Amino acid sequence: NAGVTQTPKFQVLKTGQSMTLQCAQDMNHEYMSWYRQDPGMGLRLIHYSVGAGITDQGEVPNGYNVSRSTTEDFPLRLLSAAPSQTSVYFCASSELAGDRYEQYFGPGTRLTVT
Amino acid sequence: AQKITQTQPGMFVQEKEAVTLDCTYDTSDPSYGLFWYKQPSSGEMIFLIYQGSYDQQNATEGRYSLNFQKARKSANLVISASQLGDSAMYFCAMREAWMDSSYKLIFGSGTRLLVRP
Repeated sequence: NAGVTQTPKFQVLKTGQSMTLQCAQDMNHEYMSWYRQDPGMGLRLIHYSVGAGITDQGEVPNGYNVSRSTTEDFPLRLLSAAPSQTSVYFCASSELAGDRYEQYFGPGTRLTVT
Repeated sequence: AQKITQTQPGMFVQEKEAVTLDCTYDTSDPSYGLFWYKQPSSGEMIFLIYQGSYDQQNATEGRYSLNFQKARKSANLVISASQLGDSAMYFCAMREAWMDSSYKLIFGSGTRLLVRP
């Protein structure tokens, strides 16, 4: 049981390049989400998904696209990288068990845009 | 307005002593949940403890307990018998309803804890 996996762990991009951050979970969770963490700050929600084929925007969606073709995978696409997107990106998957909503986080992807 | 406030950017504690990390929150939703996560220098987010808004008793998980004062809207984390491995960043988070179909976590800015030997 691998939990939530993310690739790559590190990435350097030049301004204007595009790339996809991969995220996969093997816990059969319906909810998946992407967060970014900027230095000295907590996490902010970029996009989320409540199931295959259903996605929606979070707090800071501009410059990112997502899709959810399967329950397991939730890739995040940077369309045209900008230095402001330099951050650590966390993917999370969640189950809703009663009143409890515990998110399981991946190890993160550290992205630098030059 | 800040929904989750952690007023202690950094704290020191002596090994084996207890430490309290402060968290206050703001919500008008009667149903909510409060979480604490630990982020060591390696970067991963580790779930520590959860408190539901309707829970009558304070949550405990091993050396971690959550001092939940609903009227004051505070959810402080208490770590007993601190260990060197407790040195990390600690985030308070609140589950909030999002777009009628899901939930999201709102995070505070974190408290960096350093345990001294």
